[in-house]
Amino acid sequence: RKEVEQDPGPFNVPEGATVAFNCTYSNSASQSFFWYRQDCRKEPKLLMSVYSSGNEDGRFTAQLNRASQYISLLIRDSKLSDSATYLCVVTLNTGGFKTIFGAGTRLFVKA
Amino acid sequence: DADVTQTPRNRITKTGKRIMLECSQTKGHDRMYWYRQDPGLGLRLIYYSFDVKDINKGEISDGYSVSRQAQAKFSLSLESAIPNQTALYFCATMSRGSGRGSYNEQFFGPGTRLTVL
Repeated sequence: RKEVEQDPGPFNVPEGATVAFNCTYSNSASQSFFWYRQDCRKEPKLLMSVYSSGNEDGRFTAQLNRASQYISLLIRDSKLSDSATYLCVVTLNTGGFKTIFGAGTRLFVKA
Repeated sequence: DADVTQTPRNRITKTGKRIMLECSQTKGHDRMYWYRQDPGLGLRLIYYSFDVKDINKGEISDGYSVSRQAQAKFSLSLESAIPNQTALYFCATMSRGSGRGSYNEQFFGPGTRLTVL
């Protein structure tokens, strides 16, 4: 089982739609959680951190469920510019600090 | 100017050649990382360094070596390139950590696309 698993997609949605991605992680000792965005052939960039209480940044909402070991990303009112790959990232510190990237979920938003 | 730079941006080489990829950062971060990205596999850690005297192997270090010449510079070498090392390579940096110790963002360079024929 992969340490961080994501549905690779692609998710094809129309502009204005709401879309949600989930990510599961296997290590219950995981400490920090993030969503990164990666445009085609570009470097990953932090989209948002995921806090235990959940957090919202404009059209984006991230939530963490430690009991079920998953995090989610909700995008409301999708824009064409949201088309990208979304990477789920988990960090843990068990005998050494470690950052684990999911393989990503591809999103295509169409007009 | 970009905070994390990588050179070269693209490289085509032949099997058996020695290749060096370079990374420089102006963010003043202690931690630097080298990843490779392959389709469907996501980012995989090759090597990481927490300071100039601290170098650690990642999950796929075989066939690679690194050098941390200074806090700002971290280079990756392929001593004898092989075709399955064809990939997109990213360098990243991270600060030592916030007071909470958990919420650490990685900053990536633009990547080097390496093709080994």
